[in-house]
Amino acid sequence: DTGVSQNPRHKITKRGQNVTFRCDPISEHNRLYWYRQTLGQGPEFLTYFQNEAQLEKSRLLSDRFSAERPKGSFSTLEIQRTEQGDSAMYLCASSLNSEAFFGQGTRLTVV
Amino acid sequence: DQQVKQNSPSLSVQEGRISILNCDYTNSMFDYFLWYKKYPAEGPTFLISISSIKDKNEDGRFTVFLNKSAKHLSLHIVPSQPGDSAVYFCAANWGSARQLTFGSGTQLTVLP
Repeated sequence: DTGVSQNPRHKITKRGQNVTFRCDPISEHNRLYWYRQTLGQGPEFLTYFQNEAQLEKSRLLSDRFSAERPKGSFSTLEIQRTEQGDSAMYLCASSLNSEAFFGQGTRLTVV
Repeated sequence: DQQVKQNSPSLSVQEGRISILNCDYTNSMFDYFLWYKKYPAEGPTFLISISSIKDKNEDGRFTVFLNKSAKHLSLHIVPSQPGDSAVYFCAANWGSARQLTFGSGTQLTVLP
């Protein structure tokens, strides 16, 4: 399978804990995006990497959120001191141009 | 403000008939438009796209129409099949980052 891969698929954590998600993009894609989706809404942009450089961050990305893409390959998204409002589906996408391809997402539940 | 709007939260269509999903946008900088299909607990799947320099793009049963003057696009599915039942998202992008701005989705149900 050469699609976008995300791990884990599901994560349940207690409020205040830190969590980290991983995304492996399609190998030849230089662009990588993180989005967040809550019930009844479309995905909302969080951040964008071109190769290893993080070039855009949404105002939705609070100081508790950090993303990396070392060596321009896989990416991680870390949420520190999780809050119940962080519960959502976190989606990763990769692209070469204007068409982005999504992974299956990581469903985060903060209890 | 919502830059991409899908005003119909749901649509039901009989199998074999045409499904028409609509989308409006407000940002005139958008130059590329996409439709995604999403099943529950999965990521969006890319369906079809159109550049702002075109007014129609067709791929099998799926056709996207773009009316730039009205800032409106639509997705036509003909003929509709029960397997098409899913949430459909309209999205748009522009600029060097090409991040997507999504609508809130339309739940399509194709009845057998």
